[in-house]
Amino acid sequence: GQNIDQPTEMTATEGAIVQINCTYQTSGFNGLFWYQQHAGEAPTFLSYNVLDGLEEKGRFSSFLSRSKGYSYLLLKELQMKDSASYLCAVFGGSTLGRLYFGRGTQLTVWP
Amino acid sequence: EAQVTQNPRYLITVTGKKLTVTCSQNMNHEYMSWYRQDPGLGLRQIYYSMNVEVTDKGDVPEGYKVSRKEKRNFPLILESPSPNQTSLYFCASSKGQGNTEAFFGQGTRLTVV
Repeated sequence: GQNIDQPTEMTATEGAIVQINCTYQTSGFNGLFWYQQHAGEAPTFLSYNVLDGLEEKGRFSSFLSRSKGYSYLLLKELQMKDSASYLCAVFGGSTLGRLYFGRGTQLTVWP
Repeated sequence: EAQVTQNPRYLITVTGKKLTVTCSQNMNHEYMSWYRQDPGLGLRQIYYSMNVEVTDKGDVPEGYKVSRKEKRNFPLILESPSPNQTSLYFCASSKGQGNTEAFFGQGTRLTVV
């Protein structure tokens, strides 16, 4: 089966750095996504990794190790508006057409 | 403006009364999919489509039907809704075979009583 694990909750303070980890076991792999979802809203795209290594995009970076089935999302200079759920998702499956989501990590940023 | 439009945003219905949730995208995307989101379970894929007339089951297809007669539209049909289909539903589209950024609709909150 498909298994994507990420912590349920994390807290941090404004200005800090936080790392949200994601481990996965899926049949077939064609990329890993991170999405941000504020309460009651639709998910929005943050990053995509298909090769090993670090992708940096402003305050957000994402890392992938395919051999370890591991990714993390790094958020720097945290702001209150970063309080949201962060969703790890793997594109794969036997037909390489499926998108599997983890249950999300609820991040709370305190002043 | 590039967008995915779902309708309705909110719906309360009774058990057994057929309903359709519409989804339309204006980005000429090949890949479209439907998800349901339940507390503690995250987003689960119901059905997906890689192109016109090509659809396939996701994790939780039971009780749902879809069709993809045109590229822009991907309606979700509940032939006989039951209370366990009460959920928040999202439609999404992405370019190519799906391994690209997904654009989500605003969501449909469905309650079946």
